[in-house]
Amino acid sequence: EIVLTQSPATLSLSPGERATLSCRATQSINTYLAWYQQKPGQAPRLLIYDASNRATGIPARFSGSWSGTDFTLTISSLEPEDFAVYYCQQRSDWPLTFGGGTKVEIK
Amino acid sequence: QVQLVESGGGVVQPGRSLKLSCAASGFTFSNYAMLWVRQAPGKGLEWVTFISYDGTNKYYADSVKGRFIISRDNSKNTLYLQMSTLRAEDTAVYYCVRDRTDAFDLWGQGTVVTVSS
Repeated sequence: EIVLTQSPATLSLSPGERATLSCRATQSINTYLAWYQQKPGQAPRLLIYDASNRATGIPARFSGSWSGTDFTLTISSLEPEDFAVYYCQQRSDWPLTFGGGTKVEIK
Repeated sequence: QVQLVESGGGVVQPGRSLKLSCAASGFTFSNYAMLWVRQAPGKGLEWVTFISYDGTNKYYADSVKGRFIISRDNSKNTLYLQMSTLRAEDTAVYYCVRDRTDAFDLWGQGTVVTVSS
């Protein structure tokens, strides 16, 4: 099973700051990685697919990148609505797996 | 509009069964693979099961293999999850999800399943 490890577990930042979220895979997953945002009481929402492609309607402040098995979600300047939990997910192999999540909270 | 609406959740005793449904609308359901993803209270997301667009291929997480069955009726635009021999650890919000092949691009609002005596 491919394990995705997200870090940090919690990120405390202020609006306007830059957020850098990490997701590391235990083996090569090519670029078959997606990022999702989840707010309390809501279903997850797709942000990024294939490691670096923004989903429809996602603001340009969200970007994805990778190097080998290390993936990064960057939010260039946090808006109040960006404080949420973020999950990465791989579709390279079965079982499909999610990372444990990173909570971005207001400092 | 484009949406997925789950139903069928509730409180059930350990060892009993429950069937979830997911009604799709606003898109050509038969063109998409579908999945169920669950989230235990206060926990992260867990993929449960997958079914191909035509129902011929199915995959299950080890945690539910042999107990859960995914199916679909493309004539009714509906996805199902038959859950048997339920355990306390199956307690979660169950999301119906559309698989665009490169990502899970459409999620339902979720239905709550509570397994408790």
